[in-house]
Amino acid sequence: DGGITQSPKYLFRKEGQNVTLSCEQNLNHDAMYWYRQDPGQGLRLIYYSQIVNDFQKGDIAEGYSVSREKKESFPLTVTSAQKNPTAFYLCASTGGTSGHPSTDTQYFGPGTRLTVL
Amino acid sequence: AQSVAQPEDQVNVAEGNPLTVKCTYSVSGNPYLFWYVQYPNRGLQFLLKYITGDNLVKGSYGFEAEFNKSQTSFHLKKPSALVSDSALYFCAVRSNAGNNRKLIWGLGTSLAVNP
Repeated sequence: DGGITQSPKYLFRKEGQNVTLSCEQNLNHDAMYWYRQDPGQGLRLIYYSQIVNDFQKGDIAEGYSVSREKKESFPLTVTSAQKNPTAFYLCASTGGTSGHPSTDTQYFGPGTRLTVL
Repeated sequence: AQSVAQPEDQVNVAEGNPLTVKCTYSVSGNPYLFWYVQYPNRGLQFLLKYITGDNLVKGSYGFEAEFNKSQTSFHLKKPSALVSDSALYFCAVRSNAGNNRKLIWGLGTSLAVNP
């Protein structure tokens, strides 16, 4: 099956602890994204990467870090500097299947729910 | 500034009745518009998109959406609602300006279909 996988499904973090959320895709997509979802606030972009070894900050990057060493993988680290990390985290990807990247559909993984204890 | 508005936080409709979930947008350049659905504790699923051409776009699960350039709207519709359509619906837009892959998201509309 082609698709996007995220692990773990549920994650619990203690105060002051860094945690890493996994996102893997086998769709051969160039671009990958991390979003944070809080109730009533929609989706907010944390980081995105349009190509391997390159990534850009989104709207709420503070307290998060990413890497893009492989096309298939885009892990997100929630650091201790993120003061309110409890949220639902969604990974997505888009591919260059059409003539213009703006027309590409964004596909999502199943999400990881992070809770701070 | 580019933006998307979903003016209704919640929409309630009886099963079998038509449903509409509203979306308006503001972008520079031509818009590329998307609808997604999210079931509880799940990722978003793509429903349909408007890129160009026919203003009426048909998508998954019997949903359709009508692009209205003069009203800058892209409302999601379904002729006959099912209880299983109850979910959170998101509208999103991209501009065709530049090599931009970032989506601008609405805050979502919770649809409740009552049996």
